[in-house]
Amino acid sequence: GAVVSQHPSRVICKSGTSVKIECRSLDFQATTMFWYRQFPKKSLMLMATSNEGSKATYEQGVEKDKFLINHASLTLSTLTVTSAHPEDSSFYICSARELAGVGETQYFGPGTRLLVL
Amino acid sequence: AQSVTQLDSQVPVFEEAPVELRCNYSSSVSVYLFWYVQYPNQGLQLLLKYLSGSTLVKGINGFEAEFNKSQTSFHLRKPSVHISDTAEYFCAVSPLNTGFQKLVFGTGTRLLVSP
Repeated sequence: GAVVSQHPSRVICKSGTSVKIECRSLDFQATTMFWYRQFPKKSLMLMATSNEGSKATYEQGVEKDKFLINHASLTLSTLTVTSAHPEDSSFYICSARELAGVGETQYFGPGTRLLVL
Repeated sequence: AQSVTQLDSQVPVFEEAPVELRCNYSSSVSVYLFWYVQYPNQGLQLLLKYLSGSTLVKGINGFEAEFNKSQTSFHLRKPSVHISDTAEYFCAVSPLNTGFQKLVFGTGTRLLVSP
């Protein structure tokens, strides 16, 4: 099946620094990648949708200058949390839709746990 | 707007017993419905989906779900669970008019299977 990886799996950083999270589709090309945030005991909340070669579409309430998304190729999207603060600590999950496959299936990465001290 | 409710945050069950995980949704437009499973330290994996046709949908690992439009429900069932079914289960909907771009998730139900 289609595999999506994320790197790093967990990261601890100091307040004020920036953190980059990578999302890769390993065995398929993804026209669209999605970034979610998951709070403890809460559902996954869609943050933004990124399409290869174009600007990401952010959900209402998500700061685009805070969460920079780049989808430079059909297999890689990155999320950069700029000037991270403790309230940004969370579990970030990406997913990808296959280019040539059945459009409704999103394949999810294992997630990245971010802790901002 | 859409919302998904999974009333049970945790469901404990003994091995080989049947289980039902409940999911109700609210939407002003027609939706597709999904169940995902998340094993510890892994990404979400699609269990099954309802797009159209028969309201009883069979998925992987012996799971099935039934779409009930009048009750806006999509409950997940398995007749006999195994220890390895211990995981977090998420119900999700996708509005038909978004081209599968948008998934709205419930808060998840943790299934705990004990011997």
